[in-house]
Amino acid sequence: AQRVTQPEKLLSVFKGAPVELKCNYSYSGSPELFWYVQYSRQRLQLLLRHISRESIKGFTADLNKGETSFHLKKPFAQEEDSAMYYCALSEQRGSYIPTFGRGTSLIVHP
Amino acid sequence: GAGVSQSPSNKVTEKGKDVELRCDPISGHTALYWYRQSLGQGLEFLIYFQGNSAPDKSGLPSDRFSAERTGGSVSTLTIQRTQQEDSAVYLCASSSHREPTSNEQFFGPGTRLTVL
Repeated sequence: AQRVTQPEKLLSVFKGAPVELKCNYSYSGSPELFWYVQYSRQRLQLLLRHISRESIKGFTADLNKGETSFHLKKPFAQEEDSAMYYCALSEQRGSYIPTFGRGTSLIVHP
Repeated sequence: GAGVSQSPSNKVTEKGKDVELRCDPISGHTALYWYRQSLGQGLEFLIYFQGNSAPDKSGLPSDRFSAERTGGSVSTLTIQRTQQEDSAVYLCASSSHREPTSNEQFFGPGTRLTVL
């Protein structure tokens, strides 16, 4: 069974500090990993996916198959990064039902 | 183009009543998902529709929950005899399953259900 673990419910940092939101997964096949973000009063939206290997809003995430992790990182947090972040896993082929982590609330203080 | 829309945005009901929640997916998206979002529980998968295939109902928490999708487009989630523990935000998402967006989920704004 596939599982996504986000160990931190809440992460609180100051503006300009580095931030890392942790995501570990359990899956035996070829996973497709995503980070979704939900800003206050906005809908949940895709932030980035491992396949595209992009940096979005200064965030990056590298898939580490050895450690089964897909941590989200940003070197200098901004106040506008405050939001709820969800890590999600889908199969690259086959079942399209994704598994979401429980989410991490990031608060960036001025 | 238009994104996923859901209605109503808020619904307050009394325990024991039935409710219907509606989702309009992005035009052309063959896949449609319903989730429940509760504080501290993340996103709980409820049901998945893909084209004309039989829906995957494995996430429905009880037989009080049902959903249908008419004509491969609009979907309604029905909760019968609502209970207070059904209070949550119900999210709908659609997906094209075609490149380049493939498995990306496009979410609606959600319906906040409050059962008194």
